[in-house]
Amino acid sequence: SQTIHQWPATLVQPVGSPLSLECTVEGTSNPNLYWYRQAAGRGLQLLFYSVGIGQISSEVPQNLSASRPQDRQFILSSKKLLLSDSGFYLCAWSPDTATEAFFGQGTRLTVV
Amino acid sequence: ELKVEQNPLFLSMQEGKNYTIYCNYSTTSDRLYWYRQDPGKSLESLFVLLSNGAVKQEGRLMASLDTKARLSTLHITAAVHDLSATYFCAVGASGTYKYIFGTGTRLKVLA
Repeated sequence: SQTIHQWPATLVQPVGSPLSLECTVEGTSNPNLYWYRQAAGRGLQLLFYSVGIGQISSEVPQNLSASRPQDRQFILSSKKLLLSDSGFYLCAWSPDTATEAFFGQGTRLTVV
Repeated sequence: ELKVEQNPLFLSMQEGKNYTIYCNYSTTSDRLYWYRQDPGKSLESLFVLLSNGAVKQEGRLMASLDTKARLSTLHITAAVHDLSATYFCAVGASGTYKYIFGTGTRLKVLA
């Protein structure tokens, strides 16, 4: 069966520090991969998605970037965190457009 | 640009009552998904609706899709406390691989 791993679960980082969040999927190949952000008490904002290695689509201009160095690995990065980057970051995958997206457990990021 | 709206945003209801959550979207799509999120947790898939008139039911929850009206509903029958959570609809943007989420409905069922 397929599983998605996302880490770390929680992270507290100072303003101006770098960020790297990693997400991996097991048990499937060529998944569509997604990064979402959820601000406290709010909905999900799509940040990036990828349909293949090295293919990244950015949805919102911001202080973040994403990379897909391997088929089942998706990384969210920042060179310098802002206070506004705080939130709950969720990685998701889907096998195709006819199915739902399956979510990882999320990373709660607090920028201080 | 696809926009997805849910209403109500907050819903407090008594156990045993029925209620409906609405999900409206702005552009054509025939892919709609419902999720549940418990506080501090990730999202759990509830229903996948892929055609006009699709209806899915699981326990006290029933979801339907009207693609012509660009509307999906999540109906709650005889609510119980365990249904307290935030419910999201998500729409698959046509011609893309994107899932666009609604604003969420925070449901609280009072005993």
